[in-house]
Amino acid sequence: DAKTTQPTSMDCAEGRAANLPCNHSTISGNEYVYWYRQIHSQGPQYIIHGLKNNETNEMASLIITEDRKSSTLILPHATLRDTAVYYCIVRVPLSGGYNKLIFGAGTRLAVHP
Amino acid sequence: EPEVTQTPSHQVTQMGQEVILRCVPISNHLYFYWYRQILGQKVEFLVSFYNNEISEKSEIFDDQFSVERPDGSNFTLKIRSTKLEDSAMYFCASRGQGDYGYTFGSGTRLTVV
Repeated sequence: DAKTTQPTSMDCAEGRAANLPCNHSTISGNEYVYWYRQIHSQGPQYIIHGLKNNETNEMASLIITEDRKSSTLILPHATLRDTAVYYCIVRVPLSGGYNKLIFGAGTRLAVHP
Repeated sequence: EPEVTQTPSHQVTQMGQEVILRCVPISNHLYFYWYRQILGQKVEFLVSFYNNEISEKSEIFDDQFSVERPDGSNFTLKIRSTKLEDSAMYFCASRGQGDYGYTFGSGTRLTVV
């Protein structure tokens, strides 16, 4: 099962920042938080990931609380093309150094004009 | 930007027939995955593959499923005798060494009739 909880849906006005919360209260010290999104039935698209520190790339920022029990994905200036399902995922380590991603239901973000 | 390529984009097959879904991962990636998504449901992990062997598989990945990397570039998922409930989008993903995001393909829509 997914180790994260997210709101089912959110709305955002175009041009405004979209802040998507995620709870992962049972996260372990060596587990990363990943964010992906899925537009319609396309393949999931990687957005960003982090362990402890806040991270920023050209798509988004990831803010992780100090206790690591929750995080927020920030899309600084949402556009209509950002309408998608956003998944917050705790990467599960497997034996031998492998890992896998377990998807939950995600947050359906609707960006409106 | 490097891509994971999946073929075909859509396959229709009769119940009981064998299907092979094909994927070309990113060339220097070492870890390979199959996921599936039944219409309207979550993205589900099927199997992970590394160093020419399965490293983890889910309960869904029963004896009817198999994976192979026959020639060092392709990564295939075979379903031996398809059932109606195998109808889904199947996504291939690959990952490089280190803590990088997985890159997903655009998927194959399998319809079993």
